[in-house]
Amino acid sequence: KAGVTQTPRYLIKTRGQQVTLSCSPISGHRSVSWYQQTPGQGLQFLFEYFSETQRNKGNFPGRFSGRQFSNSRSEMNVSTLELGDSALYLCASSKEMAYNSPLHFGNGTRLTVT
Amino acid sequence: AQSVSQHNHHVILSEAASLELGCNYSYGGTVNLFWYVQYPGQHLQLLLKYFSGDPLVKGIKGFEAEFIKSKFSFNLRKPSVQWSDTAEYFCAVNPASSNTGKLIFGQGTTLQVKP
Repeated sequence: KAGVTQTPRYLIKTRGQQVTLSCSPISGHRSVSWYQQTPGQGLQFLFEYFSETQRNKGNFPGRFSGRQFSNSRSEMNVSTLELGDSALYLCASSKEMAYNSPLHFGNGTRLTVT
Repeated sequence: AQSVSQHNHHVILSEAASLELGCNYSYGGTVNLFWYVQYPGQHLQLLLKYFSGDPLVKGIKGFEAEFIKSKFSFNLRKPSVQWSDTAEYFCAVNPASSNTGKLIFGQGTTLQVKP
């Protein structure tokens, strides 16, 4: 069974640009969550989607947005990139609403903003 | 604000030593508790989870954790570590009443096991 797939693995962008990250969940999983991982702040929750609906959003500015498609695939977008957005962005999927089933994480997309 | 605290940031042990990693959380209600592990170069994976029932839960690779509600703790243990246990360990909490999957993670503990 294929795991959670995130593309691209690495990304280098310039301040002010925007970026879109993609996540394909495990087949049959309907919930997708996104986390930002940095050395200083650790793992911080960004969003959670279930059946194309955003169920929860973390304390991030409006520059961070996301969506989920009917096939459960998800994208997150960061506009007007800042240096502080450099991080590993992790996507995780679960069968049902994530509070009821554990998360399966992808390898992440490492974003570097210069 | 809800938070998770992992007391040890970096632990160094010799093979066969016993391991205990501390995890405390701040939330007064019912919680779901998790330990995740990240081996070098690999993705985060679930080690064990507690939703309800027996407060002593067993996970993969000989790990176990004990939920002590009165202490708001969920410490991870392993009687005898191996070199292959070298990894970063994360404790995470999900308030059961939240009806969402939002996990609050601790800062992580890096475990280095010397052969």
